[in-house]
Amino acid sequence: GENVEQHPSTLSVQEGDSAVIKCTYSDSASNYFPWYKQELGKRPQLIIDIRSNVGEKKDQRIAVTLNKTAKHFSLHITETQPEDSAVYFCAASTGNQFYFGTGTSLTVIP
Amino acid sequence: DGGITQSPKYLFRKEGQNVTLSCEQNLNHDAMYWYRQDPGQGLRLIYYSQIVNDFQKGDIAEGYSVSREKKESFPLTVTSAQKNPTAFYLCASSISVDRVGYEQYFGPGTRLTVT
Repeated sequence: GENVEQHPSTLSVQEGDSAVIKCTYSDSASNYFPWYKQELGKRPQLIIDIRSNVGEKKDQRIAVTLNKTAKHFSLHITETQPEDSAVYFCAASTGNQFYFGTGTSLTVIP
Repeated sequence: DGGITQSPKYLFRKEGQNVTLSCEQNLNHDAMYWYRQDPGQGLRLIYYSQIVNDFQKGDIAEGYSVSREKKESFPLTVTSAQKNPTAFYLCASSISVDRVGYEQYFGPGTRLTVT
């Protein structure tokens, strides 16, 4: 089955700096890669996703890049703000199942 | 926060008792999922269902059971056979497992504590 690894497990940045979270996957059949943000005690919510026919996608301060050859994808948050502090999960999907990374706890220091 | 609901938000049970967690969605989604979340770990799949009256085991199905009698509902029973049931349980739904590239929507979660 698919194996998704996520790094780092914790990340602290100064407000205004950029944050990068990286994930690797093992199954070349995976073709959908969502990123979720989860605040403490709340449900995960989709913040951005990318399909395998696209190499990069951007939505305001958030961007995701995908390298199918190397089987890795990354989340980039620019101009970080304190409200970006949360746990971020990557996932890979072949369609019938979603496989999640172990999460990155991001802290933005004011 | 509408669309997919879970109840209750907090649940306390004594060891040895079975307990059922509710999950309902009004999004007309075919696929529904149950995940378990423990501190420092990602979401681990317990069961998923692609269609009414059909479901498949995920990575950690032992000690759990599900049913899918209605499209809108996918209850999870945590049985006394589950050795470490205390966790945060998340239900999710998506349009269809056959349509790749559509996100999962998560419910608010149920925090189960077994003592």
